[in-house]
Amino acid sequence: AQSVTQPDIHITVSEGASLELRCNYSYGATPYLFWYVQSPGQGLQLLLKYFSGDTLVQGIKGFEAEFKRSQSSFNLRKPSVHWSDAAEYFCAANGGSQGNLIFGKGTKLSVKP
Amino acid sequence: EPEVTQTPSHQVTQMGQEVILRCVPISNHLYFYWYRQILGQKVEFLVSFYNNEISEKSEIFDDQFSVERPDGSNFTLKIRSTKLEDSAMYFCASSERRDTGELFFGEGSRLTVL
Repeated sequence: AQSVTQPDIHITVSEGASLELRCNYSYGATPYLFWYVQSPGQGLQLLLKYFSGDTLVQGIKGFEAEFKRSQSSFNLRKPSVHWSDAAEYFCAANGGSQGNLIFGKGTKLSVKP
Repeated sequence: EPEVTQTPSHQVTQMGQEVILRCVPISNHLYFYWYRQILGQKVEFLVSFYNNEISEKSEIFDDQFSVERPDGSNFTLKIRSTKLEDSAMYFCASSERRDTGELFFGEGSRLTVL
């Protein structure tokens, strides 16, 4: 069955430190991949997406993600975290032939001063 | 910047009551979706809608649920007789295309069933 796994439920990093949030997918073929962010009381905002081509994709707010086919992973990174990055981050995938996304369970990011 | 808007932001209802959640998708989008997120759990797909009919639905979307596009702008989710387990955040989304999965989400409607 198609699935998206985010192994880390909660991560705490210091402001200014680097960040990596993990995401693995299980699909028959390479899906389209997305990272969404949900700030408290807000909706889901698209950070970045991977369809094909360059495996390192840049997104908004200084985030990037790297697609690794061999590891079925699409990890999100940021070199220097800001306090405003505290939020929940969702990895999602789409099989390409249908509209619905399959989401991971999310990783809650806390940022300490 | 165009956005998806949802009302109400929070609704409290008694078990067994009907609830209608409303959404105004982005105006040039053709595909519409409802997702839900039970507290502490994954965001789950409920239904997609295109050309005035349901194109896909999940097993969650049973006979108690229905969707409608009553006019050119609104997209509604109706829960006919709410149950405690329907308590969740419901997200509406829209997209220009179906195949890319690039969805634009609203801020959600929190439904609390007592």
